Amino acid sequence: RKEVEQDPGPFNVPEGATVAFNCTYSNSASQSFFWYRQDCRKEPKLLMSVYSSGNEDGRFTAQLNRASQYISLLIRDSKLSDSATYLCVVNEGGGADGLTFGKGTHLIIQP
Amino acid sequence: EPEVTQTPSHQVTQMGQEVILRCVPISNHLYFYWYRQILGQKVEFLVSFYNNEISEKSEIFDDQFSVERPDGSNFTLKIRSTKLEDSAMYFCASSEGWVFSSHNEQFFGPGTRLTVL
Repeated sequence: RKEVEQDPGPFNVPEGATVAFNCTYSNSASQSFFWYRQDCRKEPKLLMSVYSSGNEDGRFTAQLNRASQYISLLIRDSKLSDSATYLCVVNEGGGADGLTFGKGTHLIIQP
Repeated sequence: EPEVTQTPSHQVTQMGQEVILRCVPISNHLYFYWYRQILGQKVEFLVSFYNNEISEKSEIFDDQFSVERPDGSNFTLKIRSTKLEDSAMYFCASSEGWVFSSHNEQFFGPGTRLTVL
C-alpha cells in the first residue's frame, strides 16, 4: 500500500487567521481524495472531497494537483472549533478499495 | 441524519479470547469497511465488504480476523484469538458505492475501543 505524507504540526494559529495544510501521495494512480477531521479519540469525520478543479465549502478550500501528487486545504477566518487533527485521505483504486490515511496535521486555534 | 453505529463502545478482553465487534452501517449503503487506529498512530484499512463477500483486505487482516453480515443490518468483525497488539480503536465505515457517488465517500462510526490484557 502506498503512502500519504503530512506535516504532523502542531500548527498554533490565532483565531481569525488563515491556515493552509499540504499533503503528498505516492500512488499516481489514486482515484479519489478527501480531507477528514478527527477530534481527540473520536472517529474521522468527512470534511470535504477534493476535486481536480478545486472546490470550496464555506471557509474551507481544497485543491488537488495531480501532476505533483499534492493536495491542500485552506481554512479562512479560523474558529476555536476548528481545532482538530486534519487527515489527508486517498482512495487508490475507487470502488470498494480501502482508504489510505495520512498521519494527520494537528491544528490548535488560539483565542 | 443517518449514521453508522457501533457496539460496544469499549471492550476489554484477555489475550487469547475471541471478540466480536458490531456495526450497523447506514441503511442504503452497499459497501462496508473496517479500519483500526492504534493509539497515536494513523488510521489503517483492514477489510472491505460488498455483496456478501470480502472485496479487499490488507496485510493486517490475517486468518485471525473474519467479517460477516449475519442479517440485513449488522456487520461484524471477529478476532479469533486476541493478541496484545490488537489493542486499538476499531472503526466501521460504510459508503453508498461508487456507482452512485463518483467519490465514494465513506462515513465512519464512533468506534469500539478494544483493550487486550
